[in-house]
Amino acid sequence: DGGITQSPKYLFRKEGQNVTLSCEQNLNHDAMYWYRQDPGQGLRLIYYSQIVNDFQKGDIAEGYSVSREKKESFPLTVTSAQKNPTAFYLCAATGRGHTEAFFGQGTRLTVV
Amino acid sequence: AQSVTQLGSHVSVSEGALVLLRCNYSSSVPPYLFWYVQYPNQGLQLLLKYTTGATLVKGINGFEAEFKKSETSFHLTKPSAHMSDAAEYFCAVSESGTYKYIFGTGTRLKVLA
Repeated sequence: DGGITQSPKYLFRKEGQNVTLSCEQNLNHDAMYWYRQDPGQGLRLIYYSQIVNDFQKGDIAEGYSVSREKKESFPLTVTSAQKNPTAFYLCAATGRGHTEAFFGQGTRLTVV
Repeated sequence: AQSVTQLGSHVSVSEGALVLLRCNYSSSVPPYLFWYVQYPNQGLQLLLKYTTGATLVKGINGFEAEFKKSETSFHLTKPSAHMSDAAEYFCAVSESGTYKYIFGTGTRLKVLA
């Protein structure tokens, strides 16, 4: 099946640790996104990438980093600089011929 | 700058009653408009979208929305609510030719038996 796979579904992080969230797509879409979701705040854009080896900061990029070495992969690292990382993280992709974004199932990150 | 406003963070309806979820947007260019649904601990699923053409758009699960340019609105409706419609609904806007999407803060729909 074509789609977007996020892993893991649940992730626990100790304070001061970096963690990496995986996002893989087999839709052959050019653009990929990371959103953070908090209750009552909707989805906020962290980073997005339109092509391989290029990415742009979104509205809340501080404390996060990304890479786009392959078209199908767009991992997100939550660094220790992110002071409040507990949230639900959603990866999405969109491409030519599609106006809508396609979403993965999300990763719930909890700081313990 | 684009923005999306969803009126009502929580909406309750009785089973079988009309569902109306409100969305207003601002955009300096003709927008693309979307409604997504999210079930607990899952990603977002597209319900329907407006890009160009007919302003009344039909989506999955009996939902529809009407693009009203004069009111800058894109309200979501369903004639008869079902228990399975209980979820969170997000309105989103993007400008044609760009890759950026702006989401509203969401409306949680509760369906009462």
